[in-house]
Amino acid sequence: DAKTTQPNSMESNEEEPVHLPCNHSTISGTDYIHWYRQLPSQGPEYVIHGLTSNVNNRMASLAIAEDRKSSTLILHRATLRDAAVYYCILSEGRDDKIIFGKGTRLHILP
Amino acid sequence: GAVVSQHPSRVICKSGTSVKIECRSLDFQATTMFWYRQFPKQSLMLMATSNEGSKATYEQGVEKDKFLINHASLTLSTLTVTSAHPEDSSFYICSARENGLPNEKLFFGSGTQLSVL
Repeated sequence: DAKTTQPNSMESNEEEPVHLPCNHSTISGTDYIHWYRQLPSQGPEYVIHGLTSNVNNRMASLAIAEDRKSSTLILHRATLRDAAVYYCILSEGRDDKIIFGKGTRLHILP
Repeated sequence: GAVVSQHPSRVICKSGTSVKIECRSLDFQATTMFWYRQFPKQSLMLMATSNEGSKATYEQGVEKDKFLINHASLTLSTLTVTSAHPEDSSFYICSARENGLPNEKLFFGSGTQLSVL
């Protein structure tokens, strides 16, 4: 499985944008970049995913580097409810397994 | 949106007993479901891939005779922890991807906290 590297933890102030980085230098041409987050004592929740182009949805934006070796999850205006562990994952194909790394624990300061 | 329902959310059992956890996709069909376990302060670890109508595929190091998986329909997969011991105490999470949508997102259940006394 292709691997990703994320910072262990990050801090941000409430109502400010947050940029969560992810490195995936061994990504293959068919790997999709997925982001999930997990709030305490809950199952993970889908955030966003993309292949080559930047993506936007109601939760976040995903900026993918031109060489696809890194990506950034952008939360435009963080709230206290965004405090969670964020996982950047590479996935290929319909039945491909989602293998979780250690993720980034995001702390939001009021 | 699509929902995966997992039951029970919490179970306490005695050592040596078996526990069954159910995972249902409520408004979509899922040929494949995944089972994870998570210890405190750690990431999710994939245990097995559950395939409707066929045998599950287990990850290396996961005992298939201890963690029995049955995927009897396109909306239901079950994980049975047989002869549970205290070291099996963990947070178990299932997930599913809607059929026919390659590279699409996974939907996760809310998890089952198993405590073995």
